[in-house]
Amino acid sequence: EDQVTQSPEALRLQEGESSSLNCSYTVSGLRGLFWYRQDPGKGPEFLFTLYSAGEEKEKERLKATLTKKESFLHITAPKPEDSATYLCAVRLSGGSNYKLTFGKGTLLTVNP
Amino acid sequence: DAGVTQSPTHLIKTRGQQVTLRCSPKSGHDTVSWYQQALGQGPQFIFQYYEEEERQRGNFPDRFSGHQFPNYSSELNVNALLLGDSALYLCASSLEGVSEKLFFGSGTQLSVL
Repeated sequence: EDQVTQSPEALRLQEGESSSLNCSYTVSGLRGLFWYRQDPGKGPEFLFTLYSAGEEKEKERLKATLTKKESFLHITAPKPEDSATYLCAVRLSGGSNYKLTFGKGTLLTVNP
Repeated sequence: DAGVTQSPTHLIKTRGQQVTLRCSPKSGHDTVSWYQQALGQGPQFIFQYYEEEERQRGNFPDRFSGHQFPNYSSELNVNALLLGDSALYLCASSLEGVSEKLFFGSGTQLSVL
C-alpha cells in the first residue's frame, strides 16, 4: 500500500533555530512530491513540487530536497510567521492517477 | 483574481441527513478535486472532476457523490450522514495540462451530530 509518513509530528523551535522536516514515502512509482503549508482554519497552500531524486527547490527560508525514498523541508532561521502545519503529498505515475496522497503533517511552532 | 471559494464555511447536520457543499474554482481553472480532512490528519482524496466527468475516485462509499457544471464549478453531495463524516471538506482546482499545482479553498467545516 502506498504510504507517506511525516516526522516529527510536532516541532517547536526558537526564532532563528534552523531545522528539517522529513517526509518518507513508499510508493510503486513517483510522479511528483509536493509540499504544502496549512494555517489553522485554512486550506493548504502550495510551496514546492519535486520530480526527481537530487532536485532542490528554494523559497525564502525554505528549501525542499528529494531522494529516492524521502524528502526534506529545511527551514533556515525561522520566524514566528513560519508557524504552521507542513504537509507532504505524493502523486503516483500512470496516466489515470490524479490524486495526491498526503501525510499527516508536521505542526511547526516558532517561538519569538 | 478570486481564488477557490467554498460555501458554506460551516455546517451542522444530524445523522441520516443529506448535505451539499459548493465550490467555485480559481478563475481559468477547469479541474476540481475534493478532499476530506479529519482533525489531526492529512487531506484524503474523495474524487476529481474534469470536463463534467468524475475521472478518479478515492476510497469513499457511494454516499459521496459529486457534479461539475459547464462553468467548472462543482458540488459535493453526501447522503445518509454518519458521525464519522464530520471533517473539513476541501475543494482544490487546477488547470489541466498546464500545472499540477493545486489551489485549495478554505474548506467547509461539517459537523454531524
